[in-house]
Amino acid sequence: GQNIDQPTEMTATEGAIVQINCTYQTSGFNGLFWYQQHAGEAPTFLSYNVLDGLEEKGRFSSFLSRSKGYSYLLLKELQMKDSASYLCAVPINDYKLSFGAGTTVTVRA
Amino acid sequence: GAVVSQHPSRVICKSGTSVKIECRSLDFQATTMFWYRQFPKQSLMLMATSNEGSKATYEQGVEKDKFLINHASLTLSTLTVTSAHPEDSSFYICSAKGPLQETQYFGPGTRLLVL
Repeated sequence: GQNIDQPTEMTATEGAIVQINCTYQTSGFNGLFWYQQHAGEAPTFLSYNVLDGLEEKGRFSSFLSRSKGYSYLLLKELQMKDSASYLCAVPINDYKLSFGAGTTVTVRA
Repeated sequence: GAVVSQHPSRVICKSGTSVKIECRSLDFQATTMFWYRQFPKQSLMLMATSNEGSKATYEQGVEKDKFLINHASLTLSTLTVTSAHPEDSSFYICSAKGPLQETQYFGPGTRLLVL
C-alpha cells in the first residue's frame, strides 16, 4: 500500500501564506496530485506534479521532490474562501488514486 | 472542460430499498470511472474502478453484490446501492478519467441518507 502523510489541521490569517506538506511512500511513482475539497462538496483538482520542482498557478504553487518522497502545496495571499480540506494523492495500480487523510485549513480574518 | 456530473445530488430512502446514482462525463470520454465513499471528516475511500464495457474491479471489503456498478458507455457509469441500510448513509463521489488524461475529475457527489 501507500503511506501518505499530511498534517491534520492548519490555521492561518487572511492574507498570509500557508504551506501544506505531504510525504509519501510508493512502490512506483506516477506523479502526485493536490485536490481542494470544501465541506460537503466533492474534490476539485488543483495540481499535478510528475517532475521535481515548483509549479506555480496563481496563488497556489505545488512542489515535488521525488528523491525525498515529499511535496508541498503553498497557498499565498490567503482568502476566507480558501478554508477547505486539501488532499494529497498519488496514483497506484490502474491509475487509482490513494488519498492522504487531508489537511483542514482554516483561514481567520 | 473536464466536467463530471452526478445525479441525484441528495437522496433519502427507506431501509431495504435500492438507490441508483448516475455519473456522467459531459465533455470527454471517460474510459475509466471511479467510485468513492466518504464518511464525515474522513478522506475518500475508493470503492471500485469501472472500465467501459467490462466488469468493475472492487476494492477489498466492498461487496460487489451490494454495490452494483455498470459502465455501459464512455460517458456514463451507475452505482446501485442495493437493499440499503442506515450504515450505507454516506457521501458517494464518482470521478472520471479519459484515455489520455492523468487527472481524475470528480463529480459533485451524492449524499445518501438511509432511514
